[in-house]
Amino acid sequence: NAGVTQTPKFRILKIGQSMTLQCAQDMNHNYMYWYRQDPGMGLKLIYYSVGAGITDKGEVPNGYNVSRSTTEDFPLRLELAAPSQTSVYFCASRRGGVGTGELFFGEGSRLTVL
Amino acid sequence: DQQVKQNSPSLSVQEGRISILNCDYTNSMFDYFLWYKKYPAEGPTFLISISSIKDKNEDGRFTVFLNKSAKHLSLHIVPSQPGDSAVYFCAASGNYGQNFVFGPGTRLSVLP
Repeated sequence: NAGVTQTPKFRILKIGQSMTLQCAQDMNHNYMYWYRQDPGMGLKLIYYSVGAGITDKGEVPNGYNVSRSTTEDFPLRLELAAPSQTSVYFCASRRGGVGTGELFFGEGSRLTVL
Repeated sequence: DQQVKQNSPSLSVQEGRISILNCDYTNSMFDYFLWYKKYPAEGPTFLISISSIKDKNEDGRFTVFLNKSAKHLSLHIVPSQPGDSAVYFCAASGNYGQNFVFGPGTRLSVLP
């Protein structure tokens, strides 16, 4: 059972380049999330989705876009990479329902923008 | 404005003793709390949760206490083991758990 799978694990981008971080889950979870973690900081929510076709902004959405065309996939798009987007990105999913259910995280994608 | 605070960046404990990790929150709408453990180069893994209708939840060596009036929760690990050495994150949710706010983490080192 794969759980939450993120690709790529590592990537170096030049300023102004674009890329997509892929996230897939095989647990049929309704809720999916993208977080970023900067050194010495907690996880900051970028975007989340409560189901296919529904997305919403989190705390730090600027510079990112998401889509949720299927239950399984929740890609994160960086359009014009900036050094401030150097971070470790975590995708997570959750079954959903009122007030219960923990987040299941992927292993993370480390992105460096030079 | 940090809604979830973990004021101790690090904590060292001797093997076999109790580890106590603290977390404070400011948003009175939070009603569901979780603790996560994170090893280097891995994603966070779930440890234990507590709903605001309870003040204590136990799972093996891990116990979480919630003091709603003080907006404070703590994670107790007894006995501590070297494998518990990791970064621990506290997370909180309101609005029926749609999204979660994480604290900055506490690095626990359990010394043999």
